[in-house]
Amino acid sequence: QVQLQESGPGLVRPSQTLSLTCTVTGGSVSRGPFYWSWIRQHPGKGLEWIGYISDTGSIYYNPSLRSRMTISLDTSKNQFSLKLSSVTAADTAVYYCARVDVLSGYYYVDYWGPGTLVTVSS
Amino acid sequence: DVQLTQSPSSLSASVGDRVTITCRASQSVTTYLNWYQQKPGKAPKLLIYAASRLQSGVPSRFSGSGSGTDFTLTISPLQPEDFATYYCQQSYSTLYSFGQGTKLEIK
Repeated sequence: QVQLQESGPGLVRPSQTLSLTCTVTGGSVSRGPFYWSWIRQHPGKGLEWIGYISDTGSIYYNPSLRSRMTISLDTSKNQFSLKLSSVTAADTAVYYCARVDVLSGYYYVDYWGPGTLVTVSS
Repeated sequence: DVQLTQSPSSLSASVGDRVTITCRASQSVTTYLNWYQQKPGKAPKLLIYAASRLQSGVPSRFSGSGSGTDFTLTISPLQPEDFATYYCQQSYSTLYSFGQGTKLEIK
């Protein structure tokens, strides 16, 4: 059974960089085809796709966040990571890591992490 | 970008009812449309993918239909554990997007 778990600071100061890691167990991040994704949910709001990285290293970023984002894959640790720079209060959200199934050809999230709340505040 | 609009934004229903939630896309997404259920404090859970395919382990009272720009999620009969928020999501364009959600409450 594939499991994903987010980790990282729950509090980030404004203008600093938010850094999160997702550890995958029960499956390999280098064995695809999957898209390893980050999705966020502002408090009491809907879901926003941040970006994803494939098992082969192809990356897609949400254009609205692209200039501040980096997503990377660490196959040696079976992890993938998100860095979001110059954060503001508008980046306060629950951040989910997730796996997108690509093999079926229909691209849906079949596994989610439990989510981690990141608050941007001084 | 593909915009998804769900209706209604909220609805009240009773156990045993049949409910339908609609998702409309701003352009055709063919059948690249998925549905998720989210309960408070939990990650979303996949219910339906490819517009009408039931995810393994999901009860058969959930069904999806549609193609192009208009889609529906139907739950019948409603069970107590179905009261939650439901989201549609498109994967037709590389910028995946979600609908704003439909909150299903107990009447």
